[in-house]
Amino acid sequence: GENVEQHPSTLSVQEGDSAVIKCTYSDSASNYFPWYKQELGKRPQLIIDIRSNVGEKKDQRIAVTLNKTAKHFSLHITETQPEDSAVYFCAASIAGGYQKVTFGTGTKLQVIP
Amino acid sequence: NAGVTQTPKFQVLKTGQSMTLQCAQDMNHNSMYWYRQDPGMGLRLIYYSASEGTTDKGEVPNGYNVSRLNKREFSLRLESAAPSQTSVYFCASSEGGSDLGYTFGSGTRLTVV
Repeated sequence: GENVEQHPSTLSVQEGDSAVIKCTYSDSASNYFPWYKQELGKRPQLIIDIRSNVGEKKDQRIAVTLNKTAKHFSLHITETQPEDSAVYFCAASIAGGYQKVTFGTGTKLQVIP
Repeated sequence: NAGVTQTPKFQVLKTGQSMTLQCAQDMNHNSMYWYRQDPGMGLRLIYYSASEGTTDKGEVPNGYNVSRLNKREFSLRLESAAPSQTSVYFCASSEGGSDLGYTFGSGTRLTVV
């Protein structure tokens, strides 16, 4: 089955700096890579996703890059703000009639004011 | 529009007791999932239902059973609770097809003593 590894497990940055979270996946058939943000005590929420036919996707201060050859993808957050503090999960799946997602173990991001 | 509703939010069980976690979605999604979340281990899939009338095992199915009662509802049952099942449980749903993102419920914090 699919295996997703995520690094680092914790990340502290100063407000205004950038944060980068990296993930690798094992199944070359995976073609859909979502990122979820989970604030303390809340449910995970989809913040951005990328499909295998795209190398990069941006949405305001967040961006995701995908390297299919190396089987890794990354989340980039620029100009970090205290409200970005949360646990971020990467995931990989094979899109089809339905999709079963495999999650990474999460990165706890702390933005220091 | 409630999205995905889980009940109960909190539960304490004694070892050997049984209980059912309820999940309902009002988005007409085809697929539904049960995950458990443990510190340092991310989200692990227990069972999923690709469509009404079907259920399949995920990564950690032992000790659990599920029922896809109809398109809206997907319940998770613990027949004989064990301390190892202490966790936060999330139900999720997805439409499938081109809309691949998960919508999560608010979670159930279960403690087995």
